[in-house]
Amino acid sequence: QQQVKQSPQSLIVQKGGIPIINCAYENTAFDYFPWYQQFPGKGPALLIAIRPDVSEKKEGRFTISFNKSAKQFSLHIMDSQPGDSATYFCAATYTGSARQLTFGSGTQLTVLP
Amino acid sequence: NAGVTQTPKFQVLKTGQSMTLQCAQDMNHEYMSWYRQDPGMGLRLIHYSVGAGITDQGEVPNGYNVSRSTTEDFPLRLLSAAPSQTSVYFCASSGGPWDNEQFFGPGTRLTVL
Repeated sequence: QQQVKQSPQSLIVQKGGIPIINCAYENTAFDYFPWYQQFPGKGPALLIAIRPDVSEKKEGRFTISFNKSAKQFSLHIMDSQPGDSATYFCAATYTGSARQLTFGSGTQLTVLP
Repeated sequence: NAGVTQTPKFQVLKTGQSMTLQCAQDMNHEYMSWYRQDPGMGLRLIHYSVGAGITDQGEVPNGYNVSRSTTEDFPLRLLSAAPSQTSVYFCASSGGPWDNEQFFGPGTRLTVL
């Protein structure tokens, strides 16, 4: 049972473009939604995260938009750069879950120079 | 401060063999987890621990055993390897109930022939 659905599976944009990755969740108990960035041969690393009491969070060129009623959240990358080429995972967890993360299936982003 | 370390980086096993994947962290984190990463499926939780002596099952625990005798170490044991266990395995740790960020190790790529 996939509790976090992520799309698209892959994404190619030109440098300077704004790739958008979408995730939808089912479990209304989730209260923490992180995004992880993974480069080839490396482990995932936390990029940005949001709680459902806010609708948007921005850190540098990365923005999370959150729609609690629709149970959806998305990652926007402003002014994308070739160095942003990586696999991005959305995830979700809830207080008291011992930090068990439920991951989306991942999006492979390629930013062309 | 090495963070989360995993050994080995690569391993090839024959069906039926056993082995232990090692994971260690030097951040004095309470929570540790094991995930497996398969193409198109994101990362799935295998087992997790909320402290020394305490472990529990995640989403895909069958075929794997864990123990946590110290805060620092959280080994994952495959008792009788199967081709379905071919995957990339990641260990992660986090500080505790109020610390949401999980730190991932570099991963172990396991192939079972």
